[in-house]
Amino acid sequence: KNQVEQSPQSLIILEGKNCTLQCNYTVSPFSNLRWYKQDTGRGPVSLTIMTFSENTKSNGRYTATLDADTKQSSLHITASQLSDSASYICVVYNTGGFKTIFGAGTRLFVKA
Amino acid sequence: DAGVIQSPRHEVTEMGQEVTLRCKPISGHNSLFWYRQTMMRGLELLIYFNNNVPIDDSGMPEDRFSAKMPNASFSTLKIQPSEPRDSAVYFCASSNRQGNNSPLHFGNGTRLTVT
Repeated sequence: KNQVEQSPQSLIILEGKNCTLQCNYTVSPFSNLRWYKQDTGRGPVSLTIMTFSENTKSNGRYTATLDADTKQSSLHITASQLSDSASYICVVYNTGGFKTIFGAGTRLFVKA
Repeated sequence: DAGVIQSPRHEVTEMGQEVTLRCKPISGHNSLFWYRQTMMRGLELLIYFNNNVPIDDSGMPEDRFSAKMPNASFSTLKIQPSEPRDSAVYFCASSNRQGNNSPLHFGNGTRLTVT
């Protein structure tokens, strides 16, 4: 069964600290994986895409990694800011169709 | 680029009433998706269209839900009759589906409350 599991469910960190969010998936065949950020009251916005051949990709203070062998991805946030408070959703696309499998998200709270 | 536009932003209605949610996708995008988001179930795909044609509606919960896309710039999601368990945030998203590498562009959603 195609599934995407994220951990932790929620996380509280102090401003300026780093954090890492995890995503494990069982989607097959795998096409690519995206991390989305969803601010309260808004729709999700794509942060980064990871394809099968990519191991790491950065977008400012966000760095995503992908291990296609273990089917794991992580999103690392460096020097967190209050504006990073949001839900982070891992989404996996399978090959050949238009199916996207969403994780339940990690709710991040950054405190001053 | 105005992004995906959804209306209304909030809808409060009584059980049994008809509800119509509206979406204007990004111009030039050929795929449109309707999602429902709840705390319990996260984001769930209800239906998606490609070139205005419904491709997969297997996520539509039951016959009370229907969606149309009469042209490339407009889509509606209708619930008739509405029930309290339909309360959720409904998102519309569009994409320029050149393969699977195109991101979904979401609107800001319609928060539906059925009392």
